This record gives sequence, C-alpha cells and structure tokens, in this order.
Amino acid sequence: SQTIHQWPATLVQPVGSPLSLECTVEGTSNPNLYWYRQAAGRGLQLLFYSVGIGQISSEVPQNLSASRPQDRQFILSSKKLLLSDSGFYLCAFGRGGSGNTIYFGEGSWLTVV
Amino acid sequence: EDKVVQSPLSLVVHEGDTVTLNCSYEVTNFRSLLWYKQEKKAPTFLFMLTSSGIEKKSGRLSSILDKKELFSILNITATQTGDSAVYLCAVGDAGTALIFGKGTTLSVSS
Repeated sequence: SQTIHQWPATLVQPVGSPLSLECTVEGTSNPNLYWYRQAAGRGLQLLFYSVGIGQISSEVPQNLSASRPQDRQFILSSKKLLLSDSGFYLCAFGRGGSGNTIYFGEGSWLTVV
Repeated sequence: EDKVVQSPLSLVVHEGDTVTLNCSYEVTNFRSLLWYKQEKKAPTFLFMLTSSGIEKKSGRLSSILDKKELFSILNITATQTGDSAVYLCAVGDAGTALIFGKGTTLSVSS
C-alpha cells in the first residue's frame, strides 16, 4: 500500500534560523509531490509541486525552497526563517492519472519565535 | 483567477441534525472536485466527483456535483460528535495541483 511520512511533527525555531522538513513516500514510483501550508483562516496554500526528480515548480514567492533529490523524497527548506513562516505544513502525493486525488502526510507544525 | 469558495465558514449543530456544506468554483479546464475531512492533523480523502448528477455516498455522508451551476454539496445525516472537523473542498484542473477552499468548520454538540 502507498504511505507518506513527514517529519518532524512539531518544531519551534527562532527567527533567522534554517529549516528543513522532509517527506518520503512508499509504495509508489514517480509520484507527483506537493508542499502545502495552512495558516489559520486561509485554507491550504500550495507552495511547491514536483512531477519528477529535480523538477520543482513554485506557486508563491517566498523565502522557502524545495528539492527532490530522489524519486520519493521531497524536502522543504529555508535559510532564514521569518515570523510569517509559522504555520502547518503538509506534504502530499498524487498520481496524475487518478483524477488529481492527493493524499497527505501527517503534517508539521512550525512556530517561529 | 481560479477559485473555490465554501460556505458557510462555520456551523454548529446538535447531534442527530442533518447538515449541508456548499462548495462553488470557478476554474478553467475543470477535471474533478474533491472533499476532504480534516480533524486535528492531515486532511483525509472523502470523495472525488467528476460527473454531474451522480451521487457519491459513504455511510452518512453523500456528495453531488453540478457542473452546469459549478457547485457541489456535501450532506451529512444524523450527525455525530465525531463528525466535528474542518471539511475542505478542492478542485482539480488540467494541471497537477488541487485548488482548495478555506474550509467549513463543523461543530457537533452532544
């Protein structure tokens, strides 16, 4: 079966510190991978998506970046966090042929202080 | 600009009530509409709808799509406290990513 794992689950980081959130998918090959952010009252905002290794599309300008070093690994990074980066980050995967259904990881709560 | 609008934003009902959640959308190259339930953490998939007028049903939950009027409804009958959650509507177009609405927060009191 297909599973997705995301970590860490929670973290508290000072302003200006770096960030690395990691996500891995099992049980499928060449998935589409996504990073979403959920802020209170704003719904799910798409940050990045990837259709293959090394292929990253960014949806919003920001100080975050994403990388896909392996087929089933997706990493969200920042060199210097801002207070506004606080939120709930969700990794997700999908298969292009399945009508756009995507499945989410457990999420990571980031608080920047 | 593509958008997905859900209403109401929040709703409080008593156990046993029936609720209807709404989702309207404006997207080019519509492909599918999806409903998710989000409790404390990650959203979990409920339904995917691609054709008008065909009801999807799972237990007390059901959903239908109207592609002419560009909306969908999610019905929950005989609500239970375990139905308390944020319900998210998302629309897929010809691209690879889903566009999400802001969600409806449902609170079911006992």
